[in-house]
Amino acid sequence: AQSVTQLGSHVSVSEGALVLLRCNYSSSVPPYLFWYVQYPNQGLQLLLKYTTGATLVKGINGFEAEFNKSETSFHLTKPSAHMSDAAEYFCAVSERGSARQLTFGSGTQLTVLP
Amino acid sequence: SQTIHQWPATLVQPVGSPLSLECTVEGTSNPNLYWYRQAAGRGLQLLFYSVGIGQISSEVPQNLSASRPQDRQFILSSKKLLLSDSGFYLCAWRRIANEKLFFGSGTQLSVL
Repeated sequence: AQSVTQLGSHVSVSEGALVLLRCNYSSSVPPYLFWYVQYPNQGLQLLLKYTTGATLVKGINGFEAEFNKSETSFHLTKPSAHMSDAAEYFCAVSERGSARQLTFGSGTQLTVLP
Repeated sequence: SQTIHQWPATLVQPVGSPLSLECTVEGTSNPNLYWYRQAAGRGLQLLFYSVGIGQISSEVPQNLSASRPQDRQFILSSKKLLLSDSGFYLCAWRRIANEKLFFGSGTQLSVL
């Protein structure tokens, strides 16, 4: 069984400040890891994913995440927040080769303050 | 290119009424199809997934059902809606043996 924990349901940062959204997972097998973003009243958009290889993954809109196997974490970061980054962010995990697909975290609402 | 269509975008239904949400995928064949629900303040919950026509796997027992009458069509239904069925419903697809999931734009369902 797999699960995802996102620490902090609401995170506020000032424009230009560092964004750090935390995600920890549990999985019985090496997982695939994802971050999705959901803008108000829209579907989900993939930000980035980790499958194999380099543990630092770069995504769209300046976001990146690092897979840390020992800490079972996949935290999302962005060096400088922009007002347009305000959205809800979901971490997700899936088992390799499984048709069942993703297990999502409960989400983190990011607010960017002017 | 592949696209996913989901409708309606918003829906307001009385308790006890039936439900039908439709999702279609274009530009691919034999996709895996998924229905997720996002309840207010909660994460996304997988409701159903399908690996082929007529093949439905249910993740959560409830008064919802899903059907796949055609290869690229996935329907979420209910005979009698409950208040607790309110939420944001998302259809998604992926190619077999590819981990990337593509989402539709979602349906906001309010049961009153």
